[in-house]
Amino acid sequence: GNSVTQMEGPVTLSEEAFLTINCTYTATGYPSLFWYVQYPGEGLQLLLKATKADDKGSNKGFEATYRKETTSFHLEKGSVQVSDSAVYFCALSEDGGSQGNLIFGKGTKLSVKP
Amino acid sequence: DTEVTQTPKHLVMGMTNKKSLKCEQHMGHRAMYWYKQKAKKPPELMFVYSYEKLSINESVPSRFSPECPNSSLLNLHLHALQPEDSALYLCASSREAGTDSSYEQYFGPGTRLTVT
Repeated sequence: GNSVTQMEGPVTLSEEAFLTINCTYTATGYPSLFWYVQYPGEGLQLLLKATKADDKGSNKGFEATYRKETTSFHLEKGSVQVSDSAVYFCALSEDGGSQGNLIFGKGTKLSVKP
Repeated sequence: DTEVTQTPKHLVMGMTNKKSLKCEQHMGHRAMYWYKQKAKKPPELMFVYSYEKLSINESVPSRFSPECPNSSLLNLHLHALQPEDSALYLCASSREAGTDSSYEQYFGPGTRLTVT
């Protein structure tokens, strides 16, 4: 079945450090891939997405590239800020899958210290 | 407007109470979802409505009863809940369901439910 695996957290970084959160997936078809962010006490917000191989999603300084050969969609940011502290979820959705069901990874908590 | 609103923000209810959660979107989306999220876990899908018809029920107990009165509104009726049902309940919407995997889901802020 379809699945998403994220690196275990928590991840603690100093402000302006480089961020990578690894995400790999297993899917039978051609999924779309998403990163969602959840700030403390809030719902999920779409951070970025990519719908086909080699697409790069980007938003607010975050980037992720859809790598079909390595089945990966790693999240990166060159210089994190304290305000980036949140839980990050990698997710996939597959055409013809369960009515647009999102398959989520377990989430990675990021803490950025000043 | 890319906002999904949910009310109430917090809800405390006893095991014998009946309450309802409400969700609203005005993006013209035809798919709406209920998720349950326990602490430090990803959201778990409960129900999917497509064009106001229930299309997925992920084996959710009957004490949770969804309702979609129109294309903008989604309710979740709660009755005889258990303490283990305490969680963050998230509503989401997307343009369609199942036809194109690229349709992202927009989430509301959630209702924090505590069952005593």
